[in-house]
Amino acid sequence: AQKITQTQPGMFVQEKEAVTLDCTYDTSDQSYGLFWYKQPSSGEMIFLIYQGSYDEQNATEGRYSLNFQKARKSANLVISASQLGDSAMYFCAMREGDLWNYGGSQGNLIFGKGTKLSVKP
Amino acid sequence: DADVTQTPRNRITKTGKRIMLECSQTKGHDRMYWYRQDPGLGLQLIYYSFDVKDINKGEISDGYSVSRQAQAKFSLSLESAIPNQTALYFCATSDLWFAQGRPRNGYEQYFGPGTRLTVT
Repeated sequence: AQKITQTQPGMFVQEKEAVTLDCTYDTSDQSYGLFWYKQPSSGEMIFLIYQGSYDEQNATEGRYSLNFQKARKSANLVISASQLGDSAMYFCAMREGDLWNYGGSQGNLIFGKGTKLSVKP
Repeated sequence: DADVTQTPRNRITKTGKRIMLECSQTKGHDRMYWYRQDPGLGLQLIYYSFDVKDINKGEISDGYSVSRQAQAKFSLSLESAIPNQTALYFCATSDLWFAQGRPRNGYEQYFGPGTRLTVT
C-alpha cells in the first residue's frame, strides 16, 4: 500500500501568490517525521522543511510552512509569495519509527511520487 | 566544497558492463543511503548502511551491491548493467541532532548531486 500520496502530478501558480501542495500519509506508528524536498530541473534534492509527529506547532522555514493535520494524516506544504525559482518538483517523504530508536529501518525515508510546480510570471 | 559528493556525475555504459558509483561525505554522519529515481517518479531505496559493518537491503536491491569502505565512503555497484537500470542515482547521509533534550531533525537526509546513468 502506498504510504505517501501526492495527488497533484502538476500545478500552476501565479508569481507572488501562495500555493499549497498536498501530501497524505499512512502509518500506524505514533512517532514519525514528515519532510518536504525540492528538486529543481538541475536534479539535486534540496531539503525544505521537517515536521515531527509530536511537534505541537506547524513547522515554518522562511516562505515554507507545513500544514500538519495529524487526525487527517495530511502534511501539506504551503509556499507563500511564489517566485519563479520555485518552479520544480516537490516531494513529500515520511520516516516511520521512534526517533529514539537508532536501529533497524527506522530513519529511512519513504517518498511520494512528487508534484511538479510551475510558477507563471 | 559540497558535503556529499558523487562520482561520476554522468555515465553511459553498455548492457552487461560492471559499473561502480562512488559517494563521499564530509558531514561525519554514520548513516548513508543509495536511491534511484526513475523519470517522473519519487526515490526508491536501494541499500542503506548505519556504519561500516552494517549494510542493509532496501526495497529494490536486486541487481545492485554496495561497499562501505569507511564512514565517509559508500559505493554502489551494478554487476551487470541492464537498460532498465537507466536512472538518476542519489547518495544521501543522515544523522540525528538534539536540542533541549529532544530530537530535532528526524534524521533529515542530505543528498549528493546525483549521477545520471544510462545503460544502452
